[in-house]
Amino acid sequence: ETGVTQTPRHLVMGMTNKKSLKCEQHLGHNAMYWYKQSAKKPLELMFVYNFKEQTENNSVPSRFSPECPNSSHLFLHLHTLQPEDSALYLCASSQTEVIGANVLTFGAGSRLTVL
Amino acid sequence: GQNIDQPTEMTATEGAIVQINCTYQTSGFNGLFWYQQHAGEAPTFLSYNVLDGLEEKGRFSSFLSRSKGYSYLLLKELQMKDSASYLCAVRDSNYQLIWGAGTKLIIKP
Repeated sequence: ETGVTQTPRHLVMGMTNKKSLKCEQHLGHNAMYWYKQSAKKPLELMFVYNFKEQTENNSVPSRFSPECPNSSHLFLHLHTLQPEDSALYLCASSQTEVIGANVLTFGAGSRLTVL
Repeated sequence: GQNIDQPTEMTATEGAIVQINCTYQTSGFNGLFWYQQHAGEAPTFLSYNVLDGLEEKGRFSSFLSRSKGYSYLLLKELQMKDSASYLCAVRDSNYQLIWGAGTKLIIKP
């Protein structure tokens, strides 16, 4: 399988649940990203990992916890979320965090609904 | 603050030409990107401009004027499959990507 794969594609959870989003890339990239996409709003960068090290945490609430065990896998652990956290969560990868055109390859996203 | 402006929605006719504009105010400039996102799918890279001028790639072209803080994406010979959202993003002096909210393009027969 090639590209960036995200699971699950859809997730419904209550505010007290704990769940995780998974992202896997088979492109040999060294940087991975989590973005939040809400309707009619710009993409919001949440976290960046470059060579497995977290290099960016854009003031994201602690109820979102990232994990990057290796350069191919990225997780977003979710707990005690709020209804306003309902959104499409996109994972992306790139060769490294900053190089040349640094084109991002995105996954199709995990649609999260918090009840 | 940093800002990217693009129209929320545009409508065009199959076979026609459409121009999607993007204006930006950012702290520095290190390149401008256009991505296409079909509903329910991943955004995919379309073009990258770092120097002024027009970059042509098949039916799609992207233009940049750094002095005006302005770019446009030009789509020719529109097809129904071009119905999608088009995202403009600028990389600032810190190499952070600043995103626009996207332009939803509707193609009518």
